Amino acid sequence: QSVLTQPPSVSGAPGQRVTISCTGSSSNIGAGYDVHWYQQLPGTAPKLLIYGNTNRPSGVPDRFSGSKSGTSGSLAITGLQAEDEANYYCQSFDIRLNNWVFGGGTYLTAL
Amino acid sequence: QVQLVQSGAEVKKPGASVKVSCKSSDHTFNSYWMHWVRQAPGQGLEWMGIINPSGDTTMYAQKFQGRVTMTRDTSTSTVYMEMSSLRSEDTAVYYCARGLATRPNYDYFDPWGQGTLVTVSS
Repeated sequence: QSVLTQPPSVSGAPGQRVTISCTGSSSNIGAGYDVHWYQQLPGTAPKLLIYGNTNRPSGVPDRFSGSKSGTSGSLAITGLQAEDEANYYCQSFDIRLNNWVFGGGTYLTAL
Repeated sequence: QVQLVQSGAEVKKPGASVKVSCKSSDHTFNSYWMHWVRQAPGQGLEWMGIINPSGDTTMYAQKFQGRVTMTRDTSTSTVYMEMSSLRSEDTAVYYCARGLATRPNYDYFDPWGQGTLVTVSS
C-alpha cells in the first residue's frame, strides 16, 4: 500500500484533457513538501515530468501541468496524444517515515 | 546532458548478495546526493535509500536497513548499491537517480539510470 494514493488507471480520447490525482496526508504533501511527477513508458526508466508542484523541465511539452492544494497534488494533460500512454507516478517526502515516497502509479490509456 | 549508466543484469540465488553500479558522465556528479529506487515486476516505484556527495552519509528506508549498503567512489563518479541475503521478493529493476532539491527533503529525481534487473531464483 503506497503512502501516496493515485487512481490505478485513467483514460481519455485523443485531444481530450485528463487529470491524475495524488492524495497524501499531513505528514507529506500536507506538511508542505513538494509533489513531483514522472512518466514511465513501457520498458523504460521513469522520466521527470513536473517538479516542485508546477514546474516543467525543458523539453516537456506545455500540455503537461501540475498543481497542489492541501494534502493533494494533480497532474493535468491537455490535448491527449497516443504517445502519452504510460504509467505516471507522483512523489514527495514523508516526515513521519523520514523517507521519500511514491504513489502507486496511474496507467493512462489514450482511447 | 547528464547520463547515468548502470551495470548489467544479474541472476542470483536466494541468500546471495548483489552489487549494482551507477556511473555518471558528468564531472559535477560529486556535488549531488544520489538515490536508489527499485521496481518489482508489474509494480510501482519504491524508494530504497540515499548517499551524500562525499559518500560518508547514507540513509536507508527502514525495510532495507541492515541488508543494503550504498557506497560511492568519487574518483570514478560511481555509486554502488549492495544488497545481501537476497530473497525472491527482491527480484526487481533497480534504478539510481540524481537528487535535485531547492532545500533539504524537497528532492526530485533527474536523471535516472537505465535500470538493472536483478533476478533472485534458485
